[in-house]
Amino acid sequence: AQSVSQHNHHVILSEAASLELGCNYSYGGTVNLFWYVQYPGQHLQLLLKYFSGDPLVKGIKGFEAEFIKSKFSFNLRKPSVQWSDTAEYFCAVNVLDDYKLSFGAGTTVTVRA
Amino acid sequence: EAQVTQNPRYLITVTGKKLTVTCSQNMNHEYMSWYRQDPGLGLRQIYYSMNVEVTDKGDVPEGYKVSRKEKRNFPLILESPSPNQTSLYFCASSFIGGAGNQPQHFGDGTRLSIL
Repeated sequence: AQSVSQHNHHVILSEAASLELGCNYSYGGTVNLFWYVQYPGQHLQLLLKYFSGDPLVKGIKGFEAEFIKSKFSFNLRKPSVQWSDTAEYFCAVNVLDDYKLSFGAGTTVTVRA
Repeated sequence: EAQVTQNPRYLITVTGKKLTVTCSQNMNHEYMSWYRQDPGLGLRQIYYSMNVEVTDKGDVPEGYKVSRKEKRNFPLILESPSPNQTSLYFCASSFIGGAGNQPQHFGDGTRLSIL
C-alpha cells in the first residue's frame, strides 16, 4: 500500500511570510495528487490537484504546488500567507484508476497577525 | 446547493449501543466513502462504495458496516461501538472517471464519543 508523508506537523508563520509544505508519497507508478485544506471546524475542501501536464499547478486562494516525479514529491507553496490561511493542510494521493485516497497526517498552519 | 450531508454532527453514546451515522449527497455521485480523522494520523478510509450495492473495505474497516441501497445514501453503522471508535468521521463523494482524478466532496463531519 502506498503511504503519504507530510514532513511538518505544525508550522507557525507571520502574515506575509512564504509557506512551503512538503509531501512525499511512496508509490512508483502513475498517481493523482491532491491538496485539501480544513479550516477550523469545517470540512475538507480541495485546494488543487495534479493528474497530468504541467507539473506546476495553481489552485485557489493563491496556492500552488509542484509535482517532482523523480523525488515523489508534491509540495504546496504560497508566496505570502494571510491570517485566514490558518488551517490544517492534507496531501492525498491515489493510484491511476483507483479511487482510494491515501492521506498524509496533515500539517497545521498557524498564521500570526 | 451541492452538498454532502451527515447526521448527526455530534453524538455521545455508550459502549455497545448500536448507532448509525447517515450520509447523503445530492450530486449524483457514484463513489462514496467514509473516513475517520484522528490527531497525527490524518484521514483513514473505513469503507467505500463505487455504486449501488457495491461496497468494499478501506484501511480500517474493523467494527464498522456500511450499505449502499440507494445512490445518494451511504450510512455508516457501528453495531457495537467501543471507546477506540471515538473519532471525527467524514463522508465524501465524487464522480467516477478521469482515472481517479475527480476530487472528493466532504461532509461537515460527525464527532462521535463512545464512553
